[in-house]
Amino acid sequence: QKEVEQDPGPLSVPEGAIVSLNCTYSNSAFQYFMWYRQYSRKGPELLMYTYSSGNKEDGRFTAQVDKSSKYISLFIRDSQPSDSATYLCAISTQGGSEKLVFGKGTKLTVNP
Amino acid sequence: DARVTQTPRHKVTEMGQEVTMRCQPILGHNTVFWYRQTMMQGLELLAYFRNRAPLDDSGMPKDRFSAEMPDATLATLKIQPSEPRDSAVYFCASYSPTYEQYFGPGTRLTVT
Repeated sequence: QKEVEQDPGPLSVPEGAIVSLNCTYSNSAFQYFMWYRQYSRKGPELLMYTYSSGNKEDGRFTAQVDKSSKYISLFIRDSQPSDSATYLCAISTQGGSEKLVFGKGTKLTVNP
Repeated sequence: DARVTQTPRHKVTEMGQEVTMRCQPILGHNTVFWYRQTMMQGLELLAYFRNRAPLDDSGMPKDRFSAEMPDATLATLKIQPSEPRDSAVYFCASYSPTYEQYFGPGTRLTVT
């Protein structure tokens, strides 16, 4: 079993839809959870970071962590065409975001 | 606007040739990562350095890959000899004290 599993999609939604992206992980030692966004032919960039169970909100984005189920989610409200990108979950056992294990990424397309 | 730079952005080479990729981390970031991204495997950590010393290169094929940091402003990744299976996008990332990895734009390598 891979350490981090992420459905690669692709996921295609209409503008304004609520998007749910998910990852599962196997190692209960993972404590730090991140979502990166990667536009086509660009490097990933950090979108959200959390280290505890529960929800963290930033504008239209909400990151959710359930450590008991080893399940993390990213929700995007009122999705926009500019949200079209690949979203990668990233998890670490160490402080901050050093030595991350990445999911394979979910490719999202938001259609106008 | 501080950012990680990578050269070259694109490289096409023939099997058996040596390939050198270069990365300039953000000034003041003392931890540097090399990743490889493919459709099949996603983003994989190859090696990383802290204060120019290698900390972990377990993700790197030792017989043909080598990574160095000759000074604080330059990290290099070499492949010798290159093989078609090395075709991928190679990313460098530097780690900030605010717990974020900043990725460069990547080097797209094609080995024919």
